[in-house]
Order: sequence, then C-alpha cells, then structure tokens
Amino acid sequence: KNEVEQSPQNLTAQEGEFITINCSYSVGISALHWLQQHPGGGIVSLFMLSSGKKKHGRLIATINIQEKHSSLHITASHPRDSAVYICAVRVNFNKFYFGSGTKLNVKP
Amino acid sequence: NAGVTQTPKFQVLKTGQSMTLQCAQDMNHEYMSWYRQDPGMGLRLIHYSVGAGITDQGEVPNGYNVSRSTTEDFPLRLLSAAPSQTSVYFCASSYGGQETQYFGPGTRLLVL
Repeated sequence: KNEVEQSPQNLTAQEGEFITINCSYSVGISALHWLQQHPGGGIVSLFMLSSGKKKHGRLIATINIQEKHSSLHITASHPRDSAVYICAVRVNFNKFYFGSGTKLNVKP
Repeated sequence: NAGVTQTPKFQVLKTGQSMTLQCAQDMNHEYMSWYRQDPGMGLRLIHYSVGAGITDQGEVPNGYNVSRSTTEDFPLRLLSAAPSQTSVYFCASSYGGQETQYFGPGTRLLVL
C-alpha cells in the first residue's frame, strides 16, 4: 500500500511547455513537501505546504487538504528543470511518507 | 555555510563488515535524520534526532545505530553490513521537525 501516489511517473516535455505533476495521499498530514532530485543525485527542498498555494519563480505548488491532493506546476519549462520531483507528506513528528517520484525530461 | 555534508560519497563493503556514515551540518539545526533511497521505493526514514542526546527510530531502523553527541554531527553506524543495505543514504537537517529539510549529497553504499 502506497500512502503517497504521484503521477505521471515519467514526463517528457518540450522547452516552454507548462508542466503539472500530481500527488495524492491517503493519510492525514501536518505538511506536504515537494523535493527536486537532480540527475547527480542531490536533493533540494522546493516547497513545504500545509494549505493553499506557494510560488517561487516559475514553480507553483498547490494543496487541497480536503481532497488530499497537491500539484506542482512549472511554467515556461527549461531543460535545466529536468530532474526527479518527489512528493513527501509528514504524518507526525517522525513519520514521513515519500512518493516514488516523477522523472521529468525537458527537451530543447 | 557548508550546509549538510556527508562522507564518504561512495563505499564498498563486504558482508559482515561494519562502518560509519558521517553527517554534519553547520546551520545549528536541531532536527537531523537519515534516509535510504532504493529504486522504486522512494525515501525511507531510518533514524532521526530532535537534538543532542536524543534519537529515535524511523520506519526502517533494523541494522543501523545512531548517536547525537553534538548538534552538528549525526553519524549512522552499520553494525554488520548485509547486501540488503545496498542503497543510497541521505542525511537531512532542519530547524524543527516541521520545517524545510536540507539534504546532504548522499552516500552510495554497495555491500557485496
């Protein structure tokens, strides 16, 4: 049983396209995180959400607590956005569930 | 700030050997944690610490020990390595358990 499901698993886009990655979860959470894992393996935290919407540059993250769903949007995608995007939910202080990731490839 | 550092970057062990994966942060973060990442399974929490002298188990603690003698350091010890422990290990830290986590670069471990 996967507490966190991401879709799609793989995504190929042309440079400039608008991209959406979805995350659904089945447990009550205190926060949801979006992470970016670069091709070299490093992990960077993009957003932490407990409600509403956050924006950072070309990235937008939204969460609907009632529907247990979050989306990560990338506007005007660029090849440097190519990475694995991971959704993670915090259930309590020591319980963190991670999605298996969405691999994004943006072609020039 | 160096952020979160991990050593070594890559290690090969034989079954039964022991080793310590090092993790250090210079951001004065109270919360530190260790994860393992396996293909198709996502990240899983091994152990975490909410401050010096305080540690607790995560989702997959068996075969691993941790200690937190200082705020800066949070080493992960493999007592007797097994092939099932072949994985990529990430250390992370944050101001509090509910805050944004900062990840180290990872340690790739191969147990033969």
